[in-house]
Amino acid sequence: DQQVKQNSPSLSVQEGRISILNCDYTNSMFDYFLWYKKYPAEGPTFLISISSIKDKNEDGRFTVFLNKSAKHLSLHIVPSQPGDSAVYFCAASAKPRNQKVTFGIGTKLQVIP
Amino acid sequence: DAGVTQSPTHLIKTRGQQVTLRCSPISGHKSVSWYQQVLGQGPQFIFQYYEKEERGRGNFPDRFSARQFPNYSSELNVNALLLGDSALYLCASSLGLAGGQTQETQYFGPGTRLLVL
Repeated sequence: DQQVKQNSPSLSVQEGRISILNCDYTNSMFDYFLWYKKYPAEGPTFLISISSIKDKNEDGRFTVFLNKSAKHLSLHIVPSQPGDSAVYFCAASAKPRNQKVTFGIGTKLQVIP
Repeated sequence: DAGVTQSPTHLIKTRGQQVTLRCSPISGHKSVSWYQQVLGQGPQFIFQYYEKEERGRGNFPDRFSARQFPNYSSELNVNALLLGDSALYLCASSLGLAGGQTQETQYFGPGTRLLVL
């Protein structure tokens, strides 16, 4: 049972344009959401997070939007750069906090120069 | 500063064997978590350890066990290996503030790729 769903396995975007990666969740107990980026042969790297008390969090070129009523979040990357090409994982956690994070299956982003 | 380190990087075992994977957290981090990533899937939570105690366990059989040492390094053991245990095993460390009761940024190691034949 996939509690965190990333329905787009891959996405191609031109350099300089906006990349939008989407994520849906089913567990209403999730109250903290994270995005990780993963390059081949490396472990996932934390990118940005958002608490359920917010609907937007921004960090440089990366913005995460949360729509609790729709159980949907998205990651916007503006402008996209070739170095952003990686697999992006959406992840979520719930209380009690035991560092258990539930990951989606990932979306492979390719930024074309 | 060194990041999370894992050993070995690659491992080949046969069905029924046992395997031990090792993880050294970032210096100062007290919490270690283990994840299994099967090809084409996202990482799946196996265990979390804080101050040598198990604080969380995912939906994995008892063949999977782990422990944390006084220096906060950790080992993951898998007994009676099955073909389906072939995966990338990721270790993540975090500070462990507030006893690990707040969601912290986890820093992942590069993983150990296990192949079971």
